[in-house]
Amino acid sequence: AQKITQTQPGMFVQEKEAVTLDCTYDTSDPSYGLFWYKQPSSGEMIFLIYQGSYDQQNATEGRYSLNFQKARKSANLVISASQLGDSAMYFCAMRPQSNFGNEKLTFGTGTRLTIIP
Amino acid sequence: DTGVSQDPRHKITKRGQNVTFRCDPISEHNRLYWYRQTLGQGPEFLTYFQNEAQLEKSRLLSDRFSAERPKGSFSTLEIQRTEQGDSAMYLCASSLSYAGQSYGYTFGSGTRLTVV
Repeated sequence: AQKITQTQPGMFVQEKEAVTLDCTYDTSDPSYGLFWYKQPSSGEMIFLIYQGSYDQQNATEGRYSLNFQKARKSANLVISASQLGDSAMYFCAMRPQSNFGNEKLTFGTGTRLTIIP
Repeated sequence: DTGVSQDPRHKITKRGQNVTFRCDPISEHNRLYWYRQTLGQGPEFLTYFQNEAQLEKSRLLSDRFSAERPKGSFSTLEIQRTEQGDSAMYLCASSLSYAGQSYGYTFGSGTRLTVV
């Protein structure tokens, strides 16, 4: 079984500052993938960044980077130079890396990020 | 490619009525997933399809729920005899599994169901 823990229910950050959203995970799968999604109030799940468990380097996508520490089982999302449009719910998720099985995502409970002007 | 489409966006129904939601995945994606998200929670897996075959169903999917994906294209999720506890956002996602690699995992905008 897989489990995702997000310990920050809400965060308030000043515009233009960097922010780190915490995510820890637990799994017995030897190979897995980690995702971060953004969910604005409209409800859609917007893909931000992906990290494979065997990737040697931390993933980056524009202002988003994933601080992957495999030994600690953590996959924190870092948003640099935050913008007002970053205000939303953020979900960490993982899936087993199985080409022949169910690659269902297991989600955490989310962090509500509010950017203050 | 217009992404994953879900219809309707919002649905209000009376308790006991049947409802059906539709999901159109990205055309080349062979896997399709349904999730349910209740207020304040992350999405939870309901069921998934590999092409037209429904390969796994969560215990969350009671016998009042049924999903289909005829011809491996669009999918429908039907809830019979709706209950107030069925009120939630229903999200669809699709992905491509090919030659040992997985590509994408794209969500639709969801269908928000309210049972009154």
